[in-house]
Amino acid sequence: QKEVEQNSGPLSVPEGAIASLNCTYSDRVSQSFFWYRQYSGKSPELIMSIYSNGDKEDGRFTAQLNKASQYVSLLIRDSQPSDSATYLCAVNRASGTYKYIFGTGTRLKVLA
Amino acid sequence: GAGVSQSPSNKVTEKGKDVELRCDPISGHTALYWYRQRLGQGLEFLIYFQGNSAPDKSGLPSDRFSAERTGESVSTLTIQRTQQEDSAVYLCASSLLPQTTDTQYFGPGTRLTVL
Repeated sequence: QKEVEQNSGPLSVPEGAIASLNCTYSDRVSQSFFWYRQYSGKSPELIMSIYSNGDKEDGRFTAQLNKASQYVSLLIRDSQPSDSATYLCAVNRASGTYKYIFGTGTRLKVLA
Repeated sequence: GAGVSQSPSNKVTEKGKDVELRCDPISGHTALYWYRQRLGQGLEFLIYFQGNSAPDKSGLPSDRFSAERTGESVSTLTIQRTQQEDSAVYLCASSLLPQTTDTQYFGPGTRLTVL
């Protein structure tokens, strides 16, 4: 089992719809969870971070964390073609090291 | 201020040669990370530096890979006797503090091609 798992996609949604991206992780002691957006040929950029169970909203983005189910998701409301990118889930482990474990990413396509 | 910078942006080398990749973190950032990203894949952790503490080298794939960092400044990643499987984008990131809540900022990456 991979430490951080994501569906590779592509996930296609029409413009204006809600895009839902999911991530599961295997290490129960993980404390911090991050969503990065990566455009083709570019470096990842941070979209959202979440540390506590529940929802965290920032503009059109909502991150959801459920530590009991070891599940974190990202919702993008009113999806725009400019949201088309690969979304990487990252988990920071708390067990003596601050290294981040990344999933392989989900490719999102927003259709105009 | 300036972001994370990496050099060279592209490197083409022949199999068996050594290469050195450079990362300049954001000034004042104590934590520095190296990742490898193969085409169409996610980020693979390689090594992590924090201040003067011993680095976390648990992600280095073989003893051909090594990295150094002088204090809280520049880091170099060296790959000896390169193989075609080493072809990838090598990304460097830095963060202000090595805390689980801290944000990593990524450099533009070095695209390494081994012929």
